[in-house]
Amino acid sequence: GAVVSQHPSRVICKSGTSVKIECRSLDFQATTMFWYRQFPKQSLMLMATSNEGSKATYEQGVEKDKFLINHASLTLSTLTVTSAHPEDSSFYICSARVPQGVGETQYFGPGTRLLVL
Amino acid sequence: KNEVEQSPQNLTAQEGEFITINCSYSVGISALHWLQQHPGGGIVSLFMLSSGKKKHGRLIATINIQEKHSSLHITASHPRDSAVYICAALQYGGNQFYFGTGTSLTVIP
Repeated sequence: GAVVSQHPSRVICKSGTSVKIECRSLDFQATTMFWYRQFPKQSLMLMATSNEGSKATYEQGVEKDKFLINHASLTLSTLTVTSAHPEDSSFYICSARVPQGVGETQYFGPGTRLLVL
Repeated sequence: KNEVEQSPQNLTAQEGEFITINCSYSVGISALHWLQQHPGGGIVSLFMLSSGKKKHGRLIATINIQEKHSSLHITASHPRDSAVYICAALQYGGNQFYFGTGTSLTVIP
């Protein structure tokens, strides 16, 4: 099946620094990627939808200036957590949408655990 | 009301037992995913189903589209199967995933 990778898998940073997380579709081109976050013992929550070559669409309550999303190519979307604070510590997961015509679905990346000290 | 309901929330089993986790959904879907999340967070996609049944090793996933229900079965359970299992329904025609709250499975040796 299709594979989605994320890098890094874990990151620890100091408060105030910015962290970039990459999401790659390895064997297909994804015009749309999605970013989720998951707090402990809670379900995944959609943060934003990332479309290649255009601005991301953010869910209500998600700060677009805080969570910068860039989808510069059909196989790569990046999420940058700017000026990270301890409350941004979470598990961030991306998914990539398989193009229509080849069986529309999405595949999940393995996730990135962010700890802000 | 949640669009996806999973049961049970928590499950403890003895090694070797047959395990079933259930997922019911209320929206029209194009696909249903079963995800496994180990302590520490990493997510693994186990199955993607749009109809019928799939098997991978000791894991079996079934879906009944008419009844809007899916099950994940684990045969001959093992302590390494201990994880949270999440059902995720991809809404038909949309980008929206609806997630179950997860089933926390502990398999005791």
